[in-house]
Amino acid sequence: NAGVTQTPKFRVLKTGQSMTLLCAQDMNHEYMYWYRQDPGMGLRLIHYSVGEGTTAKGEVPDGYNVSRLKKQNFLLGLESAAPSQTSVYFCASSTPSGGRETQYFGPGTRLLVL
Amino acid sequence: EDKVVQSPLSLVVHEGDTVTLNCSYEVTNFRSLLWYKQEKKAPTFLFMLTSSGIEKKSGRLSSILDKKELFSILNITATQTGDSAIYLCAPNRSGAGNMLTFGGGTRLMVKP
Repeated sequence: NAGVTQTPKFRVLKTGQSMTLLCAQDMNHEYMYWYRQDPGMGLRLIHYSVGEGTTAKGEVPDGYNVSRLKKQNFLLGLESAAPSQTSVYFCASSTPSGGRETQYFGPGTRLLVL
Repeated sequence: EDKVVQSPLSLVVHEGDTVTLNCSYEVTNFRSLLWYKQEKKAPTFLFMLTSSGIEKKSGRLSSILDKKELFSILNITATQTGDSAIYLCAPNRSGAGNMLTFGGGTRLMVKP
């Protein structure tokens, strides 16, 4: 099993450009998440999904959109990138386990917006 | 609003030292607390704590939760250079989605 994978690994955008980050998991997990990580601020939740076809906002959703058309994939879109969106983006997945759930993380995507 | 504070922010020790990392939290509908280790890339799971006073151990790492005082500690004994990482704590809220709230992390550097 590959676990959680993310593409691309690194990307440079100009302000105003758009892009989509792809997350894929092969563990048949119900839940998927997108986080961003900035220096000294831990991980902040952008959007999440509790199942195929459903998404919800997290702590910092502005400027991002998501879609979960297939259970194994969770896409994060930036419609008009801004320098404030320079960050490392992590995708994660988990599944209901009677209160013993853990989240499994992908390797991250480093995004630089100029 | 949920709040998770980790201390210290950073720590530099020498191999063989023992370190204690702290995590205090204020989270609605608390269910459990998770510790993660983050080296260069993805956070990797260390411990899940659900009950107060029960120590979880894995080799040189151990952790304990105090649900009354709302904190957890992570101990690392006989530190090695491979322990150098950012350590993240994350309380888990009950309800759909298995939501975690992450602290800012403690950056540990272990020198030879």
